[in-house]
Amino acid sequence: DAGVIQSPRHEVTEMGQEVTLRCKPISGHDYLFWYRQTMMRGLELLIYFNNNVPIDDSGMPEDRFSAKMPNASFSTLKIQPSEPRDSAVYFCASRYQETQYFGPGTRLLVL
Amino acid sequence: GESVGLHLPTLSVQEGDNSIINCAYSNSASDYFIWYKQESGKGPQFIIDIRSNMDKRQGQRVTVLLNKTVKHLSLQIAATQPGDSAVYFCAENRGYSTLTFGKGTMLLVSP
Repeated sequence: DAGVIQSPRHEVTEMGQEVTLRCKPISGHDYLFWYRQTMMRGLELLIYFNNNVPIDDSGMPEDRFSAKMPNASFSTLKIQPSEPRDSAVYFCASRYQETQYFGPGTRLLVL
Repeated sequence: GESVGLHLPTLSVQEGDNSIINCAYSNSASDYFIWYKQESGKGPQFIIDIRSNMDKRQGQRVTVLLNKTVKHLSLQIAATQPGDSAVYFCAENRGYSTLTFGKGTMLLVSP
């Protein structure tokens, strides 16, 4: 298996623009997690899905953030409108039994 | 609140030495623990895990020790190599679907 796949790997955008991050989990994993990592706050859980259904989105910072999982092999995290303070590395992870496996991340810079 | 924390933010060792990275947790209900390694520009990578009914588990060059009495977890790396240089995170599962991550310890290995 190729592991968790994320795209794009890097994104530079201007404040106010919409940003869409994509994730393909490992086949057969029934949980998917979105995290944000910054130097100041470390690794933060934003939202997670079980069998494509959002279970807990309490970590989503604002209404500007939304996530979907239309099927078992694809998820998106959208930020609209983006702000400079959204600059971070965003990770997607999928879970087998109790272990989470992370993707390579998307490094987002909002100017 | 309850959290997973690390005592040492940076650990510097010489190549060939054994490394010990420590982690304190505060939730006695946690039943599963994982160590992750994160290299620069990459996502966290699973290293080794341990359940609360064990006190030691060994992998290839790595050993995880769990002391439930003092709520302490450690990762031992034998014969540390330059490729081991990374940030190491401990994470705990408190019986729910999510993991709680510590802030990380940076391991620097000098040749």
